[in-house]
Amino acid sequence: AQSVAQPEDQVNVAEGNPLTVKCTYSVSGNPYLFWYVQYPNRGLQFLLKYITGDNLVKGSYGFEAEFNKSQTSFHLKKPSALVSDSALYFCAVRDIESSYKLIFGSGTRLLVRP
Amino acid sequence: GAVVSQHPSWVICKSGTSVKIECRSLDFQATTMFWYRQFPKQSLMLMATSNEGSKATYEQGVEKDKFLINHASLTLSTLTVTSAHPEDSSFYICSASLIGQGAPGNTIYFGEGSWLTVV
Repeated sequence: AQSVAQPEDQVNVAEGNPLTVKCTYSVSGNPYLFWYVQYPNRGLQFLLKYITGDNLVKGSYGFEAEFNKSQTSFHLKKPSALVSDSALYFCAVRDIESSYKLIFGSGTRLLVRP
Repeated sequence: GAVVSQHPSWVICKSGTSVKIECRSLDFQATTMFWYRQFPKQSLMLMATSNEGSKATYEQGVEKDKFLINHASLTLSTLTVTSAHPEDSSFYICSASLIGQGAPGNTIYFGEGSWLTVV
């Protein structure tokens, strides 16, 4: 069975500092990994995905994620956080065994303080 | 990225009535759409997967007779909450992707969500 885990309920960083939101995965076969962001009372916005190729994936709004096969991780990163980055972040894996649905982690709330 | 439109954004209905939520893919054809439910401060719970022209596949524990899903065209799926009760009040989100053989890497795009309040 495919699954993802987000070990942190909340991450706090100061504006201008680098941020990392952690995600680990468990899959059978090749992983198809995604990051989404959700602002209050809104749907999910796609940030980036890893399918194959370069382990460092660049996405929207200056975010990037590093795929690490040996550690089964796909951490989301940004070199310099903005207050406007404060939101709920979801890591997800594609369930290739069943309808290609997305399986989400529990979410991590990012709070960037001025 | 692709645009998924969801309507209405907010709806209030009386207990016992039915309410329909629409999900449209505006600039692409979606052979598969997914419906999620999200409780406050929680992750998304997949309710069902709908494929154009066929019956939806419901997740375990989701009442198919209560949450009717129709995917009549490649750009429209609807979720109808029948005989709504206050416990059905929630945030419902749809998503869409062009799914085909060998396309697990296709991005799934989400609508803005619909707040349902049953009074």
